[in-house]
Amino acid sequence: DAKTTQPTSMDCAEGRAANLPCNHSTISGNEYVYWYRQIHSQGPQYIIHGLKNNETNEMASLIITEDRKSSTLILPHATLRDTAVYYCIVRVVGWGTQGGSEKLVFGKGTKLTVNP
Amino acid sequence: DTEVTQTPKHLVMGMTNKKSLKCEQHMGHRAMYWYKQKAKKPPELMFVYSYEKLSINESVPSRFSPECPNSSLLNLHLHALQPEDSALYLCASSQETGFSIEAFFGQGTRLTVV
Repeated sequence: DAKTTQPTSMDCAEGRAANLPCNHSTISGNEYVYWYRQIHSQGPQYIIHGLKNNETNEMASLIITEDRKSSTLILPHATLRDTAVYYCIVRVVGWGTQGGSEKLVFGKGTKLTVNP
Repeated sequence: DTEVTQTPKHLVMGMTNKKSLKCEQHMGHRAMYWYKQKAKKPPELMFVYSYEKLSINESVPSRFSPECPNSSLLNLHLHALQPEDSALYLCASSQETGFSIEAFFGQGTRLTVV
């Protein structure tokens, strides 16, 4: 089900910007891109989502290309606590007994290591 | 309160045991989810509940039986599990299932089947 492609791992120096790419070439016009992260042994944590415009919140920025086939998550000043697996997810609709349900289907993600 | 609480945090059970995992949220969310995560793998969706009714079952074996007694509570009943079912079981909730969703995850129950 996963429709995204991410690098397996990336490294970043503490204090520098971490730019995590994601390809989603089959994305449909009304599908959102979500980013979650999972710090070791914890539940996944929502970071940000977007449709076509760039988005920014207190955690990160999301840059989506004009053709929407790829996006980049930017952590502007990475810290050691940002070391985690980052998942880029495109909405998947599943059809069940209650009609259509949007579901988060995780791909393999990118293991980001922030180094001192 | 933006927490999803899962109990117990750790569980060891034999293959003939019956046990239950519990998940609770008080955010008024109407969609709740169970995921299974093996070591070094991404979470895999198991079940989706929408308005307390089972909406999606991702072809999960019947030894896993979900239950949603009310809008705040989600259980996963376990019976006759196999050692390969050992994993981290994650519960999540979101406001709805039909819109762009921010899902909140619990910290998981680490299950070991012996």
